[in-house]
Amino acid sequence: NAGVTQTPKFQVLKTGQSMTLQCAQDMNHEYMSWYRQDPGMGLRLIHYSVGAGITDQGEVPNGYNVSRSTTEDFPLRLLSAAPSQTSVYFCASRLLGTDEAFFGQGTRLTVV
Amino acid sequence: GENVEQHPSTLSVQEGDSAVIKCTYSDSASNYFPWYKQELGKRPQLIIDIRSNVGEKKDQRIAVTLNKTAKHFSLHITETQPEDSAVYFCAASSPRGYGNKLVFGAGTILRVKS
Repeated sequence: NAGVTQTPKFQVLKTGQSMTLQCAQDMNHEYMSWYRQDPGMGLRLIHYSVGAGITDQGEVPNGYNVSRSTTEDFPLRLLSAAPSQTSVYFCASRLLGTDEAFFGQGTRLTVV
Repeated sequence: GENVEQHPSTLSVQEGDSAVIKCTYSDSASNYFPWYKQELGKRPQLIIDIRSNVGEKKDQRIAVTLNKTAKHFSLHITETQPEDSAVYFCAASSPRGYGNKLVFGAGTILRVKS
C-alpha cells in the first residue's frame, strides 16, 4: 500500500493562476479531507468528503473547490490563486467508523 | 463549532527531563483526542490517542490524560530524547455534523537539548 499520495510536492503559482492539488489513497478509506498548515495556526480543515459524490466545507473553504468522483481521489482546486493561499497543504484519509487519520506528505504551495 | 487551544507554543527541555503539553477544547460532545508528531518537513503522524471514556493512556514514554469535566487533555513525555524534538499537535473530534471532523490546536515546538 502506498497510503496517501499527494502531488506535486512543491508548486509556485502566480496570482490569479489556477491549479489542482492531487490526493489519492489506496486504503479504501471513505473519509478524505484537506488541511492547510500555516505557522502558529496548526492544521485548518478546508473541505472534506465522506464518500464519492459527497463533500462539505470545513473551517476555511473560501477560494477552494473539491469534488469526489471516486473513493480513491480527492483533488483540491484553486480557481484564482492569491498570496494568502501560500501554505503547506495536507490531504488525510480514514475509514468511516474509525478515528485514526493518515496524512499525505504535503504540498508546499507558494503564490507570488 | 469546536475550538482547540494548545499551550505552550514552544517548549525547551534538557535531555532526560519530562515535557508536558496542554490542550483545552470547547465542544463537550467531542469524544476522541489524538496527538500527532510532525518532524521537520514531514507529515503529521499519530503517536497516541484517547477516547472520552478513558482518563489516561500510556505507551512507553508517552502518556495522555483527559479531564472531561474541565475539557482539557495533556501529553506527557518522560525521559525526553533528542529524537523527540518535533512539532506536536493535539486535536479533538466531535461527532456533530457530517462525519467526525478533527480540529487541531496550533502546535507546540518541542526542543530537546542534549
